[in-house]
Amino acid sequence: AQTVTQSQPEMSVQEAETVTLSCTYDTSESNYYLFWYKQPPSRQMILVIRQEAYKQQNATENRFSVNFQKAAKSFSLKISDSQLGDTAMYFCAFMSYPTGNQFYFGTGTSLTVIP
Amino acid sequence: ETGVTQTPRHLVMGMTNKKSLKCEQHLGHNAMYWYKQSAKKPLELMFVYSLEERVENNSVPSRFSPECPNSSHLFLHLHTLQPEDSALYLCASSPGQINSPLHFGNGTRLTVT
Repeated sequence: AQTVTQSQPEMSVQEAETVTLSCTYDTSESNYYLFWYKQPPSRQMILVIRQEAYKQQNATENRFSVNFQKAAKSFSLKISDSQLGDTAMYFCAFMSYPTGNQFYFGTGTSLTVIP
Repeated sequence: ETGVTQTPRHLVMGMTNKKSLKCEQHLGHNAMYWYKQSAKKPLELMFVYSLEERVENNSVPSRFSPECPNSSHLFLHLHTLQPEDSALYLCASSPGQINSPLHFGNGTRLTVT
């Protein structure tokens, strides 16, 4: 069975600083995708960034980047130049090729950006 | 416009009531999902429909009954719920391709009294 673990229930960061959210996962699959989703108070889950497991290069999207370490099954999210609008719940998610439509989510990290 | 619209936004119901949650997607996607989000728990997949056929059902109690009349609409029919069913219910859709992310609606906050 696939599991996703986010060990930081809550985090805070000063505006304009950098913060890293951690995520680890457990799987026996070799081909899979990893995602970070953001859920602001509006409740809509928004895709932040995704990583294909077969790619060694870490994905980046503007201020968001990941540190993907396949051997360690670690997939952390780094947010640079934090902004007030980054305040939200962040969920790490895993999807493997064989299961196709099955996504596995972590319990989330609540991030607060402090002015 | 989120692309995935859920109604109602909030719902309070008694344990003997029957209600339905509605989800509509305008993205041309082939797969639709119901997730249950409870505090401090991972999102729990309830049902998956692909091309209007149910392909996943994670042992959800029969008091939850999904319906997918076409690829754009998804319903979750609720009856005789329990207080522990109170949660945020999220609908999502995807193109159905292997590397496609989920697109979520704003959720329905359900309170069972």
